[in-house]
Amino acid sequence: ILNVEQSPQSLHVQEGDSTNFTCSFPSSNFYALHWYRWETAKSPEALFVMTLNGDEKKKGRISATLNTKEGYSYLYIKGSQPEDSATYLCAFAPYGQNFVFGPGTRLSVLP
Amino acid sequence: DTGVSQDPRHKITKRGQNVTFRCDPISEHNRLYWYRQTLGQGPEFLTYFQNEAQLEKSRLLSDRFSAERPKGSFSTLEIQRTEQGDSAMYLCASSLDGLETQYFGPGTRLLVL
Repeated sequence: ILNVEQSPQSLHVQEGDSTNFTCSFPSSNFYALHWYRWETAKSPEALFVMTLNGDEKKKGRISATLNTKEGYSYLYIKGSQPEDSATYLCAFAPYGQNFVFGPGTRLSVLP
Repeated sequence: DTGVSQDPRHKITKRGQNVTFRCDPISEHNRLYWYRQTLGQGPEFLTYFQNEAQLEKSRLLSDRFSAERPKGSFSTLEIQRTEQGDSAMYLCASSLDGLETQYFGPGTRLLVL
């Protein structure tokens, strides 16, 4: 059974703070790592797909890095805003197999 | 809006009843996935279709669960003789193929009393 872990489980930050989360995944048979943002009552939204070791992706104030050799990815949010409040999910995509999701990091940004 | 829709959004049922959920994927997507998500966990894979063929089912999918995608477009997930342990969010996703990003619907939240 493939295990994907995320930390922290939940996080409360003040508006304007920068924050980061971790996703840990198996380092073997790696094909891709996906990040999703899931706001309450909405569909999970695809943020990034990362495939190469050392990849860094950016979308506005959110960025992500990838280390496939050691099996982790970081998601960074710069200058958090209340609208960033959501659960952030990572999904490990091994080659030829189905996605395995982590349990998510629940972020609350307090105004 | 990801382009994937699910119906209903919420369902409350009594133990022992049958329920059916529908998913309409992005029209050009060949792959359709069903997941189940419970509190504090990430989505867990249940099954997926390549066009109309159901290619894989998780061990989580007991024989009370059945899924169809009759014309390779929309899909239905039926749960027979529901149990309280079936209470969860049921998510549908679609993708162009198995290596591409999956796009999710908003889910159907099921509560079994």
